[in-house]
Amino acid sequence: NAGVTQTPKFRVLKTGQSMTLLCAQDMNHEYMYWYRQDPGMGLRLIHYSVGEGTTAKGEVPDGYNVSRLKKQNFLLGLESAAPSQTSVYFCASSSPGEVTGELFFGEGSRLTVL
Amino acid sequence: EDQVTQSPEALRLQEGESSSLNCSYTVSGLRGLFWYRQDPGKGPEFLFTLYSAGEEKEKERLKATLTKKESFLHITAPKPEDSATYLCAHLPTDSWGKLQFGAGTQVVVTP
Repeated sequence: NAGVTQTPKFRVLKTGQSMTLLCAQDMNHEYMYWYRQDPGMGLRLIHYSVGEGTTAKGEVPDGYNVSRLKKQNFLLGLESAAPSQTSVYFCASSSPGEVTGELFFGEGSRLTVL
Repeated sequence: EDQVTQSPEALRLQEGESSSLNCSYTVSGLRGLFWYRQDPGKGPEFLFTLYSAGEEKEKERLKATLTKKESFLHITAPKPEDSATYLCAHLPTDSWGKLQFGAGTQVVVTP
């Protein structure tokens, strides 16, 4: 009963390095999201996807790219990491519905950029 | 601008000491108000959805209520296992699934 799985759980990068965070869900959900969580600021939406092959920008998309080549996977990429991207990243998924507010979250990926 | 504000930022309770958390929202229209629980080092876990003023939902020692401008999460006779950060979020009318979260209230319940 995996739900939403994120890899890696921890990563340390140097400024300018690139990396990809992987999110996988086994609930056959159409919608997937990437959030970042910073102290005192709550969860902020980076990018989201409403289905395989689709992506869209959220509240704080700059410096990130995403891809959804398969329905169960949603990748978040940092092409040139900056210290401001030090954060905890959460992936989530949900089913479409009239009011989609029940999201299923992964356990998070803690990223430190030096 | 739509905004969700939670108070207090932190709350320390003795076991059995009931209290309430507040979530106030200033939005042009509300399609849903949601409560989540987040344990340290974990992702948020869904608790409740409230759709209209006057609505109430309960789960064990937690009860969520909704008015036109705010929501409350009441914790009755809390136990140490209720220690967590509680997040509220709303769904704006012009947004299908992009929840806007508050910063959360960190609750610590001591024996």
